[in-house]
Amino acid sequence: AQSVSQHNHHVILSEAASLELGCNYSYGGTVNLFWYVQYPGQHLQLLLKYFSGDPLVKGIKGFEAEFIKSKFSFNLRKPSVQWSDTAEYFCAVNAETGGFKTIFGAGTRLFVKA
Amino acid sequence: GAVVSQHPSRVICKSGTSVKIECRSLDFQATTMFWYRQFPKKSLMLMATSNEGSKATYEQGVEKDKFLINHASLTLSTLTVTSAHPEDSSFYICSATGLTNEKLFFGSGTQLSVL
Repeated sequence: AQSVSQHNHHVILSEAASLELGCNYSYGGTVNLFWYVQYPGQHLQLLLKYFSGDPLVKGIKGFEAEFIKSKFSFNLRKPSVQWSDTAEYFCAVNAETGGFKTIFGAGTRLFVKA
Repeated sequence: GAVVSQHPSRVICKSGTSVKIECRSLDFQATTMFWYRQFPKKSLMLMATSNEGSKATYEQGVEKDKFLINHASLTLSTLTVTSAHPEDSSFYICSATGLTNEKLFFGSGTQLSVL
């Protein structure tokens, strides 16, 4: 069965610290990968996505993610976090073979201390 | 960017009543809509996938007779929670995708509280 694992449920960082959130997936075939963010009181927004091509994907607000096919991973990174990055981050995956049903990881709550 | 409107944002109902949640794509044709349920401090659980004009496909463990989904047009899908019980209290979120399936657009969610 398809699944998405996020390794960290809660992360606390100080401003300017670097961020890396882990995401591993279990899915047969060619996949599309996403990171979504949910700021407090708001609905989900797309941060970045990978469909094909360069495995290093750059998204909004300075975030990037790297697709490593051999490791079934799609980790999210940001070199220097800001207080405004406090939010919950969800890794997600879908595939044409699955009818593009998008499966989400459990989410990682990030709290950035000012 | 594309907008998905979900209504109502919050509903409180008595046990045994039915509640309808609407999800509309405002500026694009949503060929596929997904309904998710999010428990507190948990991730989104996919409940069902609906394609316009056809029956919804439910995920394992989701009661199709309890969670009725209708996708009558390319811009509207509805989720009806029938005979609601307190354990149905949750945050329900719809999402929609267009022809390219490159991106999911999410509604703002509906907080359902069943007393």
